[in-house]
Amino acid sequence: SAVISQKPSRDICQRGTSLTIQCQVDSQVTMMFWYRQQPGQSLTLIATANQGSEATYESGFVIDKFPISRPNLTFSTLTVSNMSPEDSSIYLCSVESRGPGELFFGEGSRLTVL
Amino acid sequence: AQRVTQPEKLLSVFKGAPVELKCNYSYSGSPELFWYVQYSRQRLQLLLRHISRESIKGFTADLNKGETSFHLKKPFAQEEDSAMYYCALYSGTYKYIFGTGTRLKVLA
Repeated sequence: SAVISQKPSRDICQRGTSLTIQCQVDSQVTMMFWYRQQPGQSLTLIATANQGSEATYESGFVIDKFPISRPNLTFSTLTVSNMSPEDSSIYLCSVESRGPGELFFGEGSRLTVL
Repeated sequence: AQRVTQPEKLLSVFKGAPVELKCNYSYSGSPELFWYVQYSRQRLQLLLRHISRESIKGFTADLNKGETSFHLKKPFAQEEDSAMYYCALYSGTYKYIFGTGTRLKVLA
C-alpha cells in the first residue's frame, strides 16, 4: 500500500490569490494524480503527473490555471492559480501503487475561496 | 461515452436490513469496475474490485454485463457501514471514471 500525506488539509483564500498543495508519498511511484471533488459531485481528474515530464491535463483543465510540479518519484505539488469562488473544492492527490485497480488517496485539501 | 451512474444520492436502511447500492456503467470495452468507500473523517479507499470476486466486510458486487451494472450488496447492514460509496470504472491509461457517490446511512 501507499501512504499519502497532503497539505494543507484546508485553507480559506481570497479571490485572485494562488495556493499550492503538496503531496508526499511514502514510496516511489511512477504516476501521481490530482483530482477535484466539488460539493455534491464526483471526483474529476485534473491531471496526471509523471516524474521528469510535463503533466498531462484532462479536458477542461489547463496548465496556466493548475500548474503541477513533479520533481521526484515521491512528491508533487498542485497550484490553483488566480482563484475564484468556483475553485472552492476538495483537491485530492492519488497514486496507483499496484498497477491498475487500486488508487490510494491523500486526505484531501479543502479549499474555500471567498 | 464512458460513464458511471449512481442513481441514489442517499440510501437509508435499518441495521440488519439488506443493502444494495446501485451502479450502472457505460463502456465499450471490457470493463474493470471498483467500489471505493469513504468513512467519516477518513480518506477514500478501495473496498473491492470485480476481478477479485471477493467479499470485503460482508460486501459483494457482481458484474452484470447484460445490464451493465455493478451493484454493491450486503445481506445485513451494520451501523459501521455508514459511509460514502463511489463506484468507479477503469477506462485505461491511468484513467478512472467515478460515479457521483451514494451516502449510506444505517439506522439503529
